Amino acid sequence: AQSVAQPEDQVNVAEGNPLTVKCTYSVSGNPYLFWYVQYPNRGLQFLLKYITGDNLVKGSYGFEAEFNKSQTSFHLKKPSALVSDSALYFCAAYMTTDSWGKLQFGAGTQVVVTP
Amino acid sequence: DGGITQSPKYLFRKEGQNVTLSCEQNLNHDAMYWYRQDPGQGLRLIYYSQIVNDFQKGDIAEGYSVSREKKESFPLTVTSAQKNPTAFYLCASSPTTGNGYTFGSGTRLTVV
Repeated sequence: AQSVAQPEDQVNVAEGNPLTVKCTYSVSGNPYLFWYVQYPNRGLQFLLKYITGDNLVKGSYGFEAEFNKSQTSFHLKKPSALVSDSALYFCAAYMTTDSWGKLQFGAGTQVVVTP
Repeated sequence: DGGITQSPKYLFRKEGQNVTLSCEQNLNHDAMYWYRQDPGQGLRLIYYSQIVNDFQKGDIAEGYSVSREKKESFPLTVTSAQKNPTAFYLCASSPTTGNGYTFGSGTRLTVV
């Protein structure tokens, strides 16, 4: 079945340390991949996307993500985490065989950055 | 500024009452979506609509209803048939496949 997986419910990191949030996908064709962030009691905000081209995608707030086709992964990274990066992060993918174009979301990963 | 607006931000209702959540977008997006989010949980799709006057059930449509009479508007009614309506409701819109979603700021519904 086509799916998006975020294997970690929560990631804890100290401020200033590198942050990685993992995402793997399973699709039948070429995926369109996204990362969103959600702060408490707010909607999701777009961070970045991969559709084609360079495997390293740069996005908002200093985040980047690396598309790895062989490992079917799209991990989100930030070289130096801030306390303000504490939020819920969602990976998402279009299953391009889906004619309705619905995004498939992962379950989300809570990021906690401690001072 | 273009965007997607959900109202109200907070909503309280008594058990057994129907309630309608508003979602309006001025992005000229064709598709609109409703999601439910429970505390600490992910997103669950309730209904979606790709064009005016057409909509499809998502994964948890029971106890909910929608309409899409205008491209800009996609209201969600939470009916008395929904057993656990207390949740955070998110509306989203998108132009075409591959462009991702724009989300509203959400409505927190509490049923007492």
